[in-house]
Formats: sequence, C-alpha cells, structure tokens
Amino acid sequence: TQLLEQSPQFLSIQEGENLTVYCNSSSVFSSLQWYRQEPGEGPVLLVTVVTGGEVKKLKRLTFQFGDARKDSSLHITAAQPGDTGLYLCALKRGNNRLAFGKGNQVVVIP
Amino acid sequence: EPEVTQTPSHQVTQMGQEVILRCVPISNHLYFYWYRQILGQKVEFLVSFYNNEISEKSEIFDDQFSVERPDGSNFTLKIRSTKLEDSAMYFCASSVDRGATNEKLFFGSGTQLSVL
Repeated sequence: TQLLEQSPQFLSIQEGENLTVYCNSSSVFSSLQWYRQEPGEGPVLLVTVVTGGEVKKLKRLTFQFGDARKDSSLHITAAQPGDTGLYLCALKRGNNRLAFGKGNQVVVIP
Repeated sequence: EPEVTQTPSHQVTQMGQEVILRCVPISNHLYFYWYRQILGQKVEFLVSFYNNEISEKSEIFDDQFSVERPDGSNFTLKIRSTKLEDSAMYFCASSVDRGATNEKLFFGSGTQLSVL
C-alpha cells in the first residue's frame, strides 16, 4: 500500500525559477518530515511539520502542512543549483520507524 | 556537526555469502536503525535497536538478518546468506531519543551492497 505519494516524480527547472512539489496521503498523519537526499548520501532532515495549516520556512524553502493533515507541499523560491536533490517526505509509524515516499527528484539547471 | 559513519562504502559479494555492514553511530545517541533503498525505490525501514535489543523490525528483516552492538561504538548488520534481491544501499541511522515528534534521525552515507 502506497502510504505517501509524491508528485511530480521528476522536475527540471532553470536557476532562478520557483517550484512546488507535493506529498499526499489518503490518511491523516500526526506529523510529517521532509528530507533531502543527494547522490551517494543518506537523507538529511530539513523540517518537521506537526500542526494542520502550519508553514515553516528554511531560507528559500517553504514547507506547508495541509489543514486536514493529509498533505504537504515544499515550495522553493528562486531555485539554485545547490537545491538539486531528491526530496523525500516521511511519516513516523511507531517509535521512529519512518515510512518514506518515493521522492521528488529536483534538478536545477544553471 | 557529528555524523554517522558507515563502512565499507561499497561491498560486492557472491550470492550465498555472508556480509557484515558496519556503522558507528553518533556517540551520545541511544537508538540505532537500519534502512535500505533498492535502486529506484523507496527508503525502507528494516530494524530499530535500543539497549542491546531489537525494538522493532519490518517484514523485510527475516531470519537472514541480524544486528549487533559488539562494543560501545559499533553497530552492525549481518546478512547470513545473501540473495540477489538484497542488493541495495543500506543506511544506518541513530537518534538521541525516540517517539518525540521532532526527534531527528541522523543517517550515514550508506553502504552500497551488490550481490552477484
């Protein structure tokens, strides 16, 4: 069963453009985490969102948790080549057992 | 920032052989995990470990797998008799605590296991 669905799977944009990627579920979750994974590396935690409607900012990255806590989005403003990576959403099941989505592969072209 | 260290970065083995993947978690962390990522697929939970015993394991973590903390610093994953489908990137992770909503898992860079 696909617990988390991420879309689009792949996105390529020019440097300076904005982009938004999505993480959706048919279930309500208590919290959601976003990670970035670069080639040959493990996932690195970016943010945890907990409250429905919550918005968190990390420099040019804006994370939003849907009001119903069934979806989340990541918006990148004025994307830079350093933003290239696989963005993973994950939710906790049990004690730190994370269930990941398949990821949004973002490529920012200089 | 402290980091989780994994060795080797790449491991090639013949089907049926035993492999041991090694990890050094962050020194003050108490909870340890193994995840794996088959090429093109999701990162999947294998097992969590605390106080020298398994806390939780997934359906993937069958009798071919075992984990151990042989000393105060290392955390190992052993695959007893490797199969072709065990080929994947294996990530070790650690955390200070568990259960807290904002608890942060730190992942290592992974060991790429190739079973021939």
